Amino acid sequence: DTGVSQDPRHKITKRGQNVTFRCDPISEHNRLYWYRQTLGQGPEFLTYFQNEAQLEKSRLLSDRFSAERPKGSFSTLEIQRTEQGDSAMYLCASSRGVFETQYFGPGTRLLVL
Amino acid sequence: DQQVKQNSPSLSVQEGRISILNCDYTNSMFDYFLWYKKYPAEGPTFLISISSIKDKNEDGRFTVFLNKSAKHLSLHIVPSQPGDSAVYFCAATLNYGGSQGNLIFGKGTKLSVKP
Repeated sequence: DTGVSQDPRHKITKRGQNVTFRCDPISEHNRLYWYRQTLGQGPEFLTYFQNEAQLEKSRLLSDRFSAERPKGSFSTLEIQRTEQGDSAMYLCASSRGVFETQYFGPGTRLLVL
Repeated sequence: DQQVKQNSPSLSVQEGRISILNCDYTNSMFDYFLWYKKYPAEGPTFLISISSIKDKNEDGRFTVFLNKSAKHLSLHIVPSQPGDSAVYFCAATLNYGGSQGNLIFGKGTKLSVKP
């Protein structure tokens, strides 16, 4: 399967703990996006990378959130000191370029207790 | 403020009939629009898109119509099949600044196609 993959698919954590998610984009896709989806809402943009450079961050991305894409391949999204409001589906997408179709992974569902 | 609006949370149609899903937007700078389909516990799947220079794009059973003056687009599915039952998201992108390509989604419409 050459689609976007995300790991883990589900994560349950206690408030205050740190969590890290991984996204493996489609091979040779230059752009990688992170979105967050809460219940009853559409996905909301968090941040994106062009190769290894992080070019934009949404105001939804507080300083507890950090994302990396070393070597322009896979990406990680870390949330420090998790809060119950962080509970959501975290989606990763990749595309060949800026106006190319974004293909989404299956998402990581986070539950903060 | 919601820039992309899907005002119908749900829609139910009979198998074989037409499904029409609607989407309104407020930002006249949006220049590319997409529809995604999402099944439970899966990520969104790209369905069809349309550039702002067109008013219609067709792909098999799926057709998207764009009315720029009304800031409105719609997705037509003909004929509807039970496998089309899913949540459909309308999305738009901007063509300027650092936000190029970032998708702005509506809240989605849950389509149920009954046999």
